[in-house]
Amino acid sequence: GENVEQHPSTLSVQEGDSAVIKCTYSDSASNYFPWYKQELGKRPQLIIDIRSNVGEKKDQRIAVTLNKTAKHFSLHITETQPEDSAVYFCAAISSGSARQLTFGSGTQLTVLP
Amino acid sequence: NAGVTQTPKFQVLKTGQSMTLQCAQDMNHEYMSWYRQDPGMGLRLIHYSVGAGITDQGEVPNGYNVSRSTTEDFPLRLLSAAPSQTSVYFCASSFLSRTDTQYFGPGTRLTVL
Repeated sequence: GENVEQHPSTLSVQEGDSAVIKCTYSDSASNYFPWYKQELGKRPQLIIDIRSNVGEKKDQRIAVTLNKTAKHFSLHITETQPEDSAVYFCAAISSGSARQLTFGSGTQLTVLP
Repeated sequence: NAGVTQTPKFQVLKTGQSMTLQCAQDMNHEYMSWYRQDPGMGLRLIHYSVGAGITDQGEVPNGYNVSRSTTEDFPLRLLSAAPSQTSVYFCASSFLSRTDTQYFGPGTRLTVL
């Protein structure tokens, strides 16, 4: 089955700086890679996703890049703000797995004012 | 639309007790799933369903049962609760054919003493 590894487990940045979170996956058949943000005590919410037929996707201050050859994908947050502080999870879906999401272990991002 | 709803929000059980966590969605999603979230381990898939009458096991199914008698509801049953089942449980749903985006419920925090 799919295995997703996520690094780092914690990340602290100064407000206005950029943050990068990286994930690797094992199943070359995976074709959908979402990123979820989870604030304390809340549900995970989708913030951006990318499919295997594109290499990069941007949405305002958030971008995701995908390297299919190396089987890794990254989340980039620019001009970080205190409200970006949360746990971020990467995930992957394999094309043959009937929508089963395999999650990384999460990154606690803290944006320092 | 209420989206994905879960009840109860909090529950305390004694070892050996049974209970059912409720999950409902009003988005006509075919796919529904249950995850458990433990510190440092991300979200792990317990069981999932691709439609009424169809269920299958995920990564950590032991100790849990599910059924899907309607499109809207997907209850999770703990037959004999154990302290190892102390966790936060999330239900999620999505379309099968249109998009992979999965929407999460608000979660149930379960403590087994």
